[in-house]
Amino acid sequence: DGGITQSPKYLFRKEGQNVTLSCEQNLNHDAMYWYRQDPGQGLRLIYYSQIVNDFQKGDIAEGYSVSREKKESFPLTVTSAQKNPTAFYLCASSIGEKVSGNQPQHFGDGTRLSIL
Amino acid sequence: ILNVEQSPQSLHVQEGDSTNFTCSFPSSNFYALHWYRWETAKSPEALFVMTLNGDEKKKGRISATLNTKEGYSYLYIKGSQPEDSATYLCAFSDYSSASKIIFGSGTRLSIRP
Repeated sequence: DGGITQSPKYLFRKEGQNVTLSCEQNLNHDAMYWYRQDPGQGLRLIYYSQIVNDFQKGDIAEGYSVSREKKESFPLTVTSAQKNPTAFYLCASSIGEKVSGNQPQHFGDGTRLSIL
Repeated sequence: ILNVEQSPQSLHVQEGDSTNFTCSFPSSNFYALHWYRWETAKSPEALFVMTLNGDEKKKGRISATLNTKEGYSYLYIKGSQPEDSATYLCAFSDYSSASKIIFGSGTRLSIRP
């Protein structure tokens, strides 16, 4: 079945540690997105990528980094510079070779990150 | 930063009643408006993507309208059922950055049996 796989489901980070969240899709989608959700809030955009080897900052990119070396994969690294990383992280993808804002997003199941 | 507002924040509705809620977004440079349903312990699921002023979309008992000139969209649920209990998210993109999608904080709908 085609879909988006996020791993791990739960992740714990120690102070000062970088951690990487995985997002893989086999839908042949061009665009991929990372969102963060905090309790009582909506989804806030961290980074998005329209095409391989290119990505754009969202509204809350500070303390995060991404790469898009393959079409199928868009890993998110939460660096030690992110002072409040505890949140639920969702990855999404959509079709749209040049623009994807008018295409429905398909979401993974999310990763819940906590600080030890 | 583009701002998308949803109201109300939460809603409790009796089973069988109809309900609606609102998404407000910037009216300039409009590109697309999305609606998603997010059930507990599941991933958000796309309901509608609308691009034209006056668009109306329907999926079963759920429908949505779009007014791009005044910057709002309504989501309607007719004859609410317990399975409609979810958070409903709207999201917006504009022409200045047409792949960037900004979400509202959602309306949490609970259906009372």
